[in-house]
Amino acid sequence: AQSVTQPDARVTVSEGASLQLRCKYSYSGTPYLFWYVQYPRQGLQLLLKYYSGDPVVQGVNGFEAEFIKSNSSFHLRKASVHWSDSAVYFCAVSGNTGYQNFYFGKGTSLTVIP
Amino acid sequence: GGIITQTPKFLIGQEGQKLTLKCQQNFNHDTMYWYRQDSGKGLRLIYYSITENDLQKGDLSEGYDASREKKSSFSLTVTSAQKNEMAVFLCASSNWGDTYEQYFGPGTRLTVL
Repeated sequence: AQSVTQPDARVTVSEGASLQLRCKYSYSGTPYLFWYVQYPRQGLQLLLKYYSGDPVVQGVNGFEAEFIKSNSSFHLRKASVHWSDSAVYFCAVSGNTGYQNFYFGKGTSLTVIP
Repeated sequence: GGIITQTPKFLIGQEGQKLTLKCQQNFNHDTMYWYRQDSGKGLRLIYYSITENDLQKGDLSEGYDASREKKSSFSLTVTSAQKNEMAVFLCASSNWGDTYEQYFGPGTRLTVL
């Protein structure tokens, strides 16, 4: 079955600290992987995506993620968080046929303490 | 660039009422989606449409109808609103091709009294 697991429903970190948000996926075909961010009362915005090639992908606002195939993981990282990074982060997996269903995790709510 | 517009932003209905949510996109994308977002449950796919006049059911289609009469618009109807229901409905679109990321609208927040 296709699924995405984000094991941490809530994460709290201090401003300036490093961050890792965890994501594990289960997908039978070639996975396309995404991280989205949702700020309060807004839709989801794409942070970064992985299709192939270099397993470490860079996204907006200093975020990066690493695809580890052997571990079926796609963790999101940031070296130094800012209070404005407080939001809900969603990991998603899709297939490579264009209109394939996206499978979203339940999201991780990040709070950055000033 | 482009934008996805959802109307209305807030929708208050009565139990048993039929309610319609609208979505417009100017990306010229082929595929459009409706998701339901409940607190703590992530996003669940209700319907998607690969092209104009196409409809495909998602995991949560029961209790909903959808309509894709034009490439740029995708409507969702709650056929009978459930009392005390509260959720956010997100519309998204994506293009056929090398990149499949979905672009999202700001959502419609539904409250049923």
